[in-house]
Amino acid sequence: NAGVMQNPRHLVRRRGQEARLRCSPMKGHSHVYWYRQLPEEGLKFMVYLQKENIIDESGMPKERFSAEFPKEGPSILRIQQVVRGDSAAYFCASSNRDRGREQYFGPGTRLTVT
Amino acid sequence: RKEVEQDPGPFNVPEGATVAFNCTYSNSASQSFFWYRQDCRKEPKLLMSVYSSGNEDGRFTAQLNRASQYISLLIRDSKLSDSATYLCAVNGDNYGQNFVFGPGTRLSVLP
Repeated sequence: NAGVMQNPRHLVRRRGQEARLRCSPMKGHSHVYWYRQLPEEGLKFMVYLQKENIIDESGMPKERFSAEFPKEGPSILRIQQVVRGDSAAYFCASSNRDRGREQYFGPGTRLTVT
Repeated sequence: RKEVEQDPGPFNVPEGATVAFNCTYSNSASQSFFWYRQDCRKEPKLLMSVYSSGNEDGRFTAQLNRASQYISLLIRDSKLSDSATYLCAVNGDNYGQNFVFGPGTRLSVLP
């Protein structure tokens, strides 16, 4: 399967714990994007990364959220000290700029904070 | 004004009907436009890119109107399987990589 992979698909955390979401882009893609979708709401851009670089984090909350895309391995979205309002679906997308910027999405991680 | 707005819907249409959705955007510098479909609780799937000259893929036709800053999606001979939420995506700044998604328009095709 050469598509975008995300894991875990479902994650349950108690308030105050940390959540780590992983994303492996489509083969040949070097651009990764994270989006959040709250229940009954639209997709909201969070952060755009290339290998070892954060290009645009204008959609990231200022506190508790961080993202990285290391030279080796998947991209990680990290949420520290989760609160109930963090419960959402987190989608990762990847693109290859040479192919006109279409973004392809992974299946998402559904985070539930109890 | 929101960056990207869509017809609120929902659209409930019978099988075989033709249905059209509109999406307006506020950033006149936007260069890239796309339509995605999202089934309930699943990831958005790319439906088609929208080119200046318009493009067609089977029963689906997308148009871009730069002067009025909107894109449209036309679905002909709608099928039950077309039932989904349709999202438009517009690149949000001159850098070109940051997408802004509309809130989506829900379509239900009825037997």
